[in-house]
Order: sequence, then structure tokens, then C-alpha cells
Amino acid sequence: EIELTQSPGTLSLSPGERATLSCRASQSVRSSFLAWYQQKPGQAPRRLISGASSRATGIPDRFSGSGSGTDFTLTISRLEPEDFAVYYCQQYGSSPHTFGQGTKLEIK
Amino acid sequence: EVQLVQSGAEVKKPGESLKISCKGSGYSFISYWIGWVRQMPGKGLEWMGIIYPGDSDTRYSPSFQGRVTISADKSISTAYLQWSSLKASDTAMYYCARMAVAGGTDAFDIWGQGTMVTVSS
Repeated sequence: EIELTQSPGTLSLSPGERATLSCRASQSVRSSFLAWYQQKPGQAPRRLISGASSRATGIPDRFSGSGSGTDFTLTISRLEPEDFAVYYCQQYGSSPHTFGQGTKLEIK
Repeated sequence: EVQLVQSGAEVKKPGESLKISCKGSGYSFISYWIGWVRQMPGKGLEWMGIIYPGDSDTRYSPSFQGRVTISADKSISTAYLQWSSLKASDTAMYYCARMAVAGGTDAFDIWGQGTMVTVSS
């Protein structure tokens, strides 16, 4: 089973700043099958990125994903007020398709 | 519109059985893997398992194998998650979600609204 470790656990930033979220896998993720989701309180998760770097339909271009192998990054170039939420990575290259523990992005 | 609609909130006692549902519409239900994800109160997402409704091929996380059963009835485009004997530790929100690519592995692109299960004596 691939374990995903996200860092930091909490990130405190201001609107307009750049956010960099990390996801590290315990072993290489096949074919960069790595996704990022955003979850706001009381809502289901929303897919942002799949295939490590492909934005889902309707996701603003301030969100970008990068990485391969065991190290992946989600970058939000200029934070908007609606971006403050919890972010999860997930690998779907091998079963079970594990999630990271999440990074909470909060307003500073 | 592609959507997954889940059954309503449940309140159960320890030891009781339960089956919750997830109905797909707006797409070919039999062609996409459906998964179940647990979120305990205030905690993160946990992948429980997936089912391919076309042939009922099912995969479980080792953490949930033997504790839950995932099934599907393709005639009514509905997937299920069931327990034979609930525990208080099963209290959580349960989401169903669809994998984005027909027949293949992918991220979850469509999510149900969630079903809250509360187990308390």
C-alpha cells in the first residue's frame, strides 16, 4: 500500500499570496496517477488536478500541479478568498487508491 | 447532467445492519468504476473500495476488507455499501464517487452528496 504524506499540515497565508502544497509518496506512483482535491466545510471533495498536472474542467489556471515518482506539488499562484479549504492528494496507480491526510489552507 | 445521488442520513445502534445507496444518472452506469470514501468527523478522506458495475469486479482497501460489502445493481444504476454489524467507530460521512475514465483507473470526478451514518446506543 502506498502511503501519501502531505505537508505542511496547516498553511497560513493571505489572499494574493502563493501557496505551495507538497505530497510525498512512500513508493513511486505509477504513470503519475496522482490527483488533488479541494474540500470546503460541509461539501463533498472537488477534483482539481489529475495525472499530476492536468487541470479538471472549470478549474482556474491559478491552480497547477507538478511532480512525478514520489514527489508532487500543488501550487496556487495567487490566493483568492474562496481557495481557503482543505486539500488532499490521492494516488490511483495501485490499489488501494490512498489519500494523503490533507493540508488545511487557512487565512492568515 | 451527470450525478450521483446518495440515500439519506442514518442513525443506527451498535450491532445493527445497514445498506446505503448511490444512484447514478446522466451517463452509462455500467462503464465507470464507482468508489466509496469514508470521512470520520473532523478527519481526512479514506478510500474504502471500488466496484465496476458492468461485471461487479470489486476491490477493497485492506483496512475495510471483511468489514463492509460493496455491491451494485446495474439494472437500477445503483451502488451500495453495507455493514452486517455496525460499530460506534463506523460513525462517519460516506461518499460515493465515480472514476473519470470509462473502464479504466482515474481520479474521482463526480461525487455524491454524502450519507451521514451515526452509530450510537
